[in-house]
Amino acid sequence: EPEVTQTPSHQVTQMGQEVILRCVPISNHLYFYWYRQILGQKVEFLVSFYNNEISEKSEIFDDQFSVERPDGSNFTLKIRSTKLEDSAMYFCASSGEGAAYEQYFGPGTRLTVT
Amino acid sequence: GQQVMQIPQYQHVQEGEDFTTYCNSSTTLSNIQWYKQRPGGHPVFLIQLVKSGEVKKQKRLTFQFGEAKKNSSLHITATQTTDVGTYFCAPIYNQGGKLIFGQGTELSVKP
Repeated sequence: EPEVTQTPSHQVTQMGQEVILRCVPISNHLYFYWYRQILGQKVEFLVSFYNNEISEKSEIFDDQFSVERPDGSNFTLKIRSTKLEDSAMYFCASSGEGAAYEQYFGPGTRLTVT
Repeated sequence: GQQVMQIPQYQHVQEGEDFTTYCNSSTTLSNIQWYKQRPGGHPVFLIQLVKSGEVKKQKRLTFQFGEAKKNSSLHITATQTTDVGTYFCAPIYNQGGKLIFGQGTELSVKP
């Protein structure tokens, strides 16, 4: 069964450093998302991406964040200058049928900012 | 605003007991999805409800969408240890597919 993959599974970085989280969505999917989940809390929407551009972004997704689909398979989330409060699990998701359909989540990248 | 309240936050049951989690919105929802997240895992899609008053069943799970499309519930009959996890409701807002997750209900099942 096709699945969303994410790398790395765990990233430790120092405050102020840049990190890039990578995702490979399901191959024929067209809608891509990033969510984050701070430990013990709910899943929060960050950004949606369709047709090579951002469809919508949340208040969390400020100028420190960016997304890119550099080729036909990868979807990346970059945090330019990490802060302690960026520590969380970051989930990539994709949807194939359309924006209002089932989203398939990857296993997540745990980001720890020290 | 775009948020849903989910109750209870935690539910501890004995195996075989029933379980229900409720999701409430102050605004009318176009549709709502439910996801399950096992401990240490990622959200996994369970179901989508679209129609007013809709009821869908998946084996021991029953999902309902309120008549006013402002609330939804998930009921599990005769819980099993495999049901352990956090259940999230997540309405979709606008055409971009943004999911707004509720706080989730964490279910633990004692064998």
